[in-house]
Amino acid sequence: ETGVTQSPTHLIKTRGQQVTLRCSSQSGHNTVSWYQQALGQGPQFIFQYYREEENGRGNFPPRFSGLQFPNYSSELNVNALELDDSALYLCASSHGGAGAYEQYFGPGTRLTVT
Amino acid sequence: DAKTTQPPSMDCAEGRAANLPCNHSTISGNEYVYWYRQIHSQGPQYIIHGLKNNETNEMASLIITEDRKSSTLILPHATLRDTAVYYCIVRVDQGNTPLVFGKGTRLSVIA
Repeated sequence: ETGVTQSPTHLIKTRGQQVTLRCSSQSGHNTVSWYQQALGQGPQFIFQYYREEENGRGNFPPRFSGLQFPNYSSELNVNALELDDSALYLCASSHGGAGAYEQYFGPGTRLTVT
Repeated sequence: DAKTTQPPSMDCAEGRAANLPCNHSTISGNEYVYWYRQIHSQGPQYIIHGLKNNETNEMASLIITEDRKSSTLILPHATLRDTAVYYCIVRVDQGNTPLVFGKGTRLSVIA
């Protein structure tokens, strides 16, 4: 059973640019959630995808968008990057459906915006 | 906002039990208590969760008070590799609800 993987591990972008982060969910999981973790803070929920549809969103602007593919992998896209977008971006996969299933996290992508 | 309150930091001697407290006085009847930990610069790792009964697994024990307003995570024999930030989260048992993280407790295990 493979765990959650994310790519790339590190990324440096310039303010105003766009970035795409990728996540492969754990085998058997159909739900992916994305979180942003600023330095010294706990992770903050961005959005969740269940069976290729957005299934909940936190307090993030529309320039944060996502996709989920038929194999349940997912992308997080951020447009018009701002300096405050510098953070660790985490994805977590879980089973879907009823019940509060545990979420299993990937190692994260460290994004630095200069 | 997080519905839990945790001390910002704690120390524990290697080999001793680490007892991490969490207050969740506004917890609802259908909310579980979850614990995750995050070792430096890694993704959070699921530890344990419970509703009202005490729970134990290979990693830890979770003790929930009878009124469910507080809980304690116990690592029975802490090792240096248990040094991490520990997050206590309350989460409704309904669909794939997101995790709402606070700032957690930074546990330092000391040799």
